[in-house]
Amino acid sequence: DSGVTQTPKHLITATGQRVTLRCSPRSGDLSVYWYQQSLDQGLQFLIQYYNGEERAKGNILERFSAQQFPDLHSELNLSSLELGDSALYFCASSDRLAKYTDTQYFGPGTRLTVL
Amino acid sequence: AQKITQTQPGMFVQEKEAVTLDCTYDTSDPSYGLFWYKQPSSGEMIFLIYQGSYDQQNATEGRYSLNFQKARKSANLVISASQLGDSAMYFCAMRAGNAGNMLTFGGGTRLMVKP
Repeated sequence: DSGVTQTPKHLITATGQRVTLRCSPRSGDLSVYWYQQSLDQGLQFLIQYYNGEERAKGNILERFSAQQFPDLHSELNLSSLELGDSALYFCASSDRLAKYTDTQYFGPGTRLTVL
Repeated sequence: AQKITQTQPGMFVQEKEAVTLDCTYDTSDPSYGLFWYKQPSSGEMIFLIYQGSYDQQNATEGRYSLNFQKARKSANLVISASQLGDSAMYFCAMRAGNAGNMLTFGGGTRLMVKP
């Protein structure tokens, strides 16, 4: 158990809908990262928050947004869902902002299926 | 740009034998970290081992060791005494000092341990 929690574990929804994925980092970790794992794109970095502020953006679509709250949990919002958004979404956390030696610990993931 | 290459899509190993999973990387940054993660069929990403670019010795964690050859830009994972529970996808990842905060992942290697 990494100490990172994600809910829900599974999510099935229809095209055009909006969903929210939730993540709680390990105790004491200030950085939260979101990744998407799909069959065609592999594992891709989406976005990072550190202590409530957005700090880095990767291949995140404009239909997607995220935020980190004062209690450090984070939410990833996906809107106008398309079939291609079906994927496993991971949250990861680390204790510092950005040092290349820092290990990112991953949550169990949320499997999103868009029908 | 950072790039991770895992050339073995799938591998078999006999139980109790050792196996090496290949990983080559490309970065122009002298400061970077290399990570290996295990993804069992249940989907979670489990951190296994870390190697820093300035580390003089190869990293070891229990049955896992990392064969780090800096000049060849390779960071191969060695699993000794394979167990049935080692059957999983294995991902090599890199985090470079000048690349912000993201992990860049390889395409993964599926390891299957035969009894």
